[in-house]
Amino acid sequence: AQTVTQSQPEMSVQEAETVTLSCTYDTSESDYYLFWYKQPPSRQMILVIRQEAYKQQNATENRFSVNFQKAAKSFSLKISDSQLGDAAMYFCAYRSVFNGANSKLTFGKGITLSVRP
Amino acid sequence: EAGVAQSPRYKIIEKRQSVAFWCNPISGHATLYWYQQILGQGPKLLIQFQNNGVVDDSQLPKDRFSAERLKGVDSTLKIQPAKLEDSAVYLCASIQSSRSDTQYFGPGTRLTVL
Repeated sequence: AQTVTQSQPEMSVQEAETVTLSCTYDTSESDYYLFWYKQPPSRQMILVIRQEAYKQQNATENRFSVNFQKAAKSFSLKISDSQLGDAAMYFCAYRSVFNGANSKLTFGKGITLSVRP
Repeated sequence: EAGVAQSPRYKIIEKRQSVAFWCNPISGHATLYWYQQILGQGPKLLIQFQNNGVVDDSQLPKDRFSAERLKGVDSTLKIQPAKLEDSAVYLCASIQSSRSDTQYFGPGTRLTVL
């Protein structure tokens, strides 16, 4: 079974600065998807960024980018130019490429990010 | 495009009572998931539907939890009787098919069992 580990429960960043959130995972599969989801206090889980494991290039979405290290099974999220609206819980999640029952997401415990004005 | 809808947003009940949650996925999305998110943890899958059939309910406590998706569109999750440890946020998510990779989540229902 796959596992996702987020070992930092909380992080804080100054507005306009850069912060990196860490995630490691364990799997025996060679191809899979990885995601970062944001969950504000309103609880709506919002997709931030996704990475396909077979792609060596790191995904980027505006101020958000990932550092995907497949051999190390590491998948960190970098937020540049942090904004007050980035304050939320961030979850790292894994999904197999296989369909059916394997399409569920396996989540880490999450990290609470606060942004200081 | 309308997102995933869930109701109610909040529910407070006494232990041993019953409760039901409703989810309406994005139009055309064949696959629907119910996740349970206990405070301080990541969501955990309870049940997955493909159209109106169950794909995975291995983590559903079947002695008290039940779910259905009769017409392959909206879904209901029920707890009867509720226990204190059922206090959590219940999230519904959908994707177009299980071959799609990105799940879209609803706002969740926060259940408090007293």
